Amino acid sequence: DAGITQSPRHKVTETGTPVTLRCHQTENHRYMYWYRQDPGHGLRLIHYSYGVKDTDKGEVSDGYSVSRSKTEDFLLTLESATSSQTSVYFCASRAGQGRSGELFFGEGSRLTVL
Amino acid sequence: AQRVTQPEKLLSVFKGAPVELKCNYSYSGSPELFWYVQYSRQRLQLLLRHISRESIKGFTADLNKGETSFHLKKPFAQEEDSAMYYCALVFGNEKLTFGTGTRLTIIP
Repeated sequence: DAGITQSPRHKVTETGTPVTLRCHQTENHRYMYWYRQDPGHGLRLIHYSYGVKDTDKGEVSDGYSVSRSKTEDFLLTLESATSSQTSVYFCASRAGQGRSGELFFGEGSRLTVL
Repeated sequence: AQRVTQPEKLLSVFKGAPVELKCNYSYSGSPELFWYVQYSRQRLQLLLRHISRESIKGFTADLNKGETSFHLKKPFAQEEDSAMYYCALVFGNEKLTFGTGTRLTIIP
């Protein structure tokens, strides 16, 4: 494992509340990603980062924002959680270019929005 | 647009039988394809990359550009192969898009 940890691992919240998920990596990887995993949809990219303060949207970015103030931390924020955001969220990281497909994943954060 | 298709959500195979998990892709550029696996209670991890042409845990996958496929194969299934398998495509040199996954169950 590439030393990636996610917190919290489980969270139950109510509709309309803000939620922040944290991803921390100790490998000094440049790239970091947030995916959500849903039955029938597989893994879908929410946002990704290609460096400190450099982020971009993925395919399902609506309702989510991210921040990366340090190399090791990548935060995913749901400003106002909705039931459709109930999912398992995975963070991933990789080193530089040249090994673009080799992602190292965290253990996942299961979010339930009531 | 880039897309990865895994037509089988579920696949059950008897132990010792051959396994083939299908993956098709659409991408206008030069594809870079991977297989990831998620065993029960474990993290998602890289299994194979097409560029390496390697065999991992008895699995192989060949890129067929004519058929735009990257099927994962193993000649003799083992119980420990039961897992969720994802085919993935790199695009834009930075992003990895995944298929919807196939849950493989090996029947003893």
